[in-house]
Amino acid sequence: QSVLTQPPSVSAAPGQKVTISCSGSSSNIGNNYVSWYQQLPGTAPKLLIYENNRRPSGIPDRFSGSKSGTSATLGITGLQTGDEADYYCGTWDSSLSAWVFGGGTKLTVL
Amino acid sequence: QVQLVESGGGVVQPGRSLRLSCAVSGFTFSNYGMHWVRQAPGKGLEWVAVISYDGRNKYYADSVKGRFTISRDNSKNTLDLQMNSLRAEDTAVYYCAKGQWLLASYFDYWGQGTLVTVSS
Repeated sequence: QSVLTQPPSVSAAPGQKVTISCSGSSSNIGNNYVSWYQQLPGTAPKLLIYENNRRPSGIPDRFSGSKSGTSATLGITGLQTGDEADYYCGTWDSSLSAWVFGGGTKLTVL
Repeated sequence: QVQLVESGGGVVQPGRSLRLSCAVSGFTFSNYGMHWVRQAPGKGLEWVAVISYDGRNKYYADSVKGRFTISRDNSKNTLDLQMNSLRAEDTAVYYCAKGQWLLASYFDYWGQGTLVTVSS
């Protein structure tokens, strides 16, 4: 059971928008930055969003992040078939003194 | 460009030891914390351990505490993970990942991973 809770799967049609939620507590999301990672099939994870809502260079603005209280959300607009991947949220847990990930969300672009 | 290359994976019997290494290039290694993250077959990401830029501070996941040791050699730009008393549930792809100066910060680069299989 992951410390951070994500929906196992989400789906949407090409061109549409999807959001992926990540729920935690005051010891992790509530008091630390959240980052998001994309893992395409058979590849290593890749940083998508850091410090709640910042995009690394090269990440299109179709990807966005937000945080409110003890929850965070990843948004993807203009969905493309190439966005089909597993998405993970992560943050530091100050009580555990450990990094924690969500269980991952599989995005299907129908 | 930033590169992280893991090595040392393989098949090992339960109870035995294995040492993983990660060779890095393309950034000033001694300025950043470094992490190990693993992924069991068909499962999600599990953080394993982190070491500070100077090697003084280390944190571990409860699942590996007392069995795994993270270390680094800033003169050689290498990160290691010594894994002892291995169990079947340690079977996973192990990734090294570049952190930030602050240990609680994100991972901006990942290696390609090395597979560890614990089986008799």
